[in-house]
Amino acid sequence: QPVVTQEPSFSVSPGGTLTLTCGLSSGSVSTSHYPSWYQQTPGQAPRTLIYSTDIRSSGVPDRFSGSILGNKAALTITGAQADDESDYYCLLYMSNGIYVFGTGTRVTVL
Amino acid sequence: DVQLVETGGGLIQPGGSLTLSCAASGFTVSTNYINWVRQAPGKGLEWVSVIYAVGSTYYADSVKGRFTVSRDNSKNTVHLQMNSLRAEDTAVYFCARSLLHALDIRGQGTLVTVSS
Repeated sequence: QPVVTQEPSFSVSPGGTLTLTCGLSSGSVSTSHYPSWYQQTPGQAPRTLIYSTDIRSSGVPDRFSGSILGNKAALTITGAQADDESDYYCLLYMSNGIYVFGTGTRVTVL
Repeated sequence: DVQLVETGGGLIQPGGSLTLSCAASGFTVSTNYINWVRQAPGKGLEWVSVIYAVGSTYYADSVKGRFTVSRDNSKNTVHLQMNSLRAEDTAVYFCARSLLHALDIRGQGTLVTVSS
């Protein structure tokens, strides 16, 4: 089973921009992996932010955007706010029918 | 309104079995992909299993051969039969519908604790 790697942690100042990445041990991430991104705060269920690489879920602010950067999927938060402080996970769909979550990134806004 | 409600969690001894249920409303499980996802205490999300609309099933390596996902169309419910449970299976288990290969997690999950 492939390993999907994310940065363990990230700090950003309020109003700043950060880009989280999602890499695949067995090669490059592409749109064929349908990368999706999830935000989770403690004690809450994950919330879908982005799906199919770059489509924002309903109600998600446009400061969140998804893309492919090089050989990785990426989530960019532009103009970070205090309530963006959360854990973020990517999810990749594999051609053999399974899914794999990334290792997760803890984002701190300070 | 789309809802998914997980039930069936509890305390179980190592080696034991447990069946989780995911009751859906607002859509039909037989025409959707339903996944199970888990999160161990203080850890990240782990994808566990999926049952596709055509009935095919897939599993993470960590549970393959021990867990079985099935569907009861008459009750619009998906089940996860978990056998040979281990301490590392301790987690909150969520069910989720896949839409364009993204997971829509609606419920608060059900806690499974494997301990003697």
